[in-house]
Amino acid sequence: KAGVTQTPRYLIKTRGQQVTLSCSPISGHRSVSWYQQTPGQGLQFLFEYFSETQRNKGNFPGRFSGRQFSNSRSEMNVSTLELGDSALYLCASSLGGGTPNTEAFFGQGTRLTVV
Amino acid sequence: QQPVQSPQAVILREGEDAVINCSSSKALYSVHWYRQKHGEAPVFLMILLKGGEQKGHEKISASFNEKKQQSSLYLTASQLSYSGTYFCGTGSASKIIFGSGTRLSIRP
Repeated sequence: KAGVTQTPRYLIKTRGQQVTLSCSPISGHRSVSWYQQTPGQGLQFLFEYFSETQRNKGNFPGRFSGRQFSNSRSEMNVSTLELGDSALYLCASSLGGGTPNTEAFFGQGTRLTVV
Repeated sequence: QQPVQSPQAVILREGEDAVINCSSSKALYSVHWYRQKHGEAPVFLMILLKGGEQKGHEKISASFNEKKQQSSLYLTASQLSYSGTYFCGTGSASKIIFGSGTRLSIRP
């Protein structure tokens, strides 16, 4: 079966602009989580969606937002981009449920560079 | 709160063993282990659940001490393919919070 698909793979934006990243989960998976990865910082949790509802949010400013559609595809948006937003953004899909007790599958990520 | 991993980096020769530790200041429901190779997505290795249940690959072993809120990943007879960054994650309330990773390098 198809894996998690993230688009675009690479993106270059200018400070102040906004960007939208897309994630298509594995068919049947209803939970999508987003992570920001920067060198030395590991995987920083952004938010998690399940059945179009945001269930959890990490400690990121309000410039970071997301949504999930009825087909479980998810988007995340970053407004007023800053240089520090340059990172690899990963999404992970899983079956979902109340607690994370199943395997999560990661996409290849979107490499965002802010100049 | 982000779990703490140790060591931050380790270099092994092929065939040697390694242990990667993960600890949390919060009570753990589950511990998740992933490996990420350079330029690739993180890949699932194992989940350890409160109560002792484990789900994962046969060649990977790990322990989960609920009282101490710690987990350890055991890599035995390491192979070149084990190289990568290992992340532990703590699961609660539908989210997984990952540590900053342990970089493992295997030399022939």
